[in-house]
Amino acid sequence: GQQVMQIPQYQHVQEGEDFTTYCNSSTTLSNIQWYKQRPGGHPVFLIQLVKSGEVKKQKRLTFQFGEAKKNSSLHITATQTTDVGTYFCAGYNTNAGKSTFGDGTTLTVKP
Amino acid sequence: DGGITQSPKYLFRKEGQNVTLSCEQNLNHDAMYWYRQDPGQGLRLIYYSQIVNDFQKGDIAEGYSVSREKKESFPLTVTSAQKNPTAFYLCASSMWRRSNSPLHFGNGTRLTVT
Repeated sequence: GQQVMQIPQYQHVQEGEDFTTYCNSSTTLSNIQWYKQRPGGHPVFLIQLVKSGEVKKQKRLTFQFGEAKKNSSLHITATQTTDVGTYFCAGYNTNAGKSTFGDGTTLTVKP
Repeated sequence: DGGITQSPKYLFRKEGQNVTLSCEQNLNHDAMYWYRQDPGQGLRLIYYSQIVNDFQKGDIAEGYSVSREKKESFPLTVTSAQKNPTAFYLCASSMWRRSNSPLHFGNGTRLTVT
């Protein structure tokens, strides 16, 4: 079945450093979504990427969708303590008719 | 305010008992979902429903049951057949499933079975 791998599992950074999480799918995706889950909270939708090679920005966050639509990344520039949490990607495959979540990358930021 | 309400936030049960988790949404969304989250892992799909009176099994449906009698409600029953029920359960909804609309999650129910 469809598998979505996300790396790294954990990332510890000093405040102000950059952070990147990567998502790789075993199958071609129709689109990919990114979610953020704060400690003790629930996942909150950040963005959806649909087109091959698409790049979207939200302030310090940059999201990319690979040319082959099998991988994606989330990059945070100059992390802040408010960025802490677990970031999940969710890849949607039309043939499977459902989304598959990656295991998430948990970001901690040291002030 | 529109949103998804899950209750209770914490639930404790003895092994061998069935337990039902509540999920209500007032977003007028067609599709609803139940996910299970274990520490250090992603979200695994238990069941989903696209319309009233219809639902499909997700990846880990064994030991669980659902109903969708109303558009707003999608309760999940964790049966005694579920071998490892202790987990964080998240309910979600979306406008319609086919286009993979973003998921809106409830605050979750943390179930502990001893």
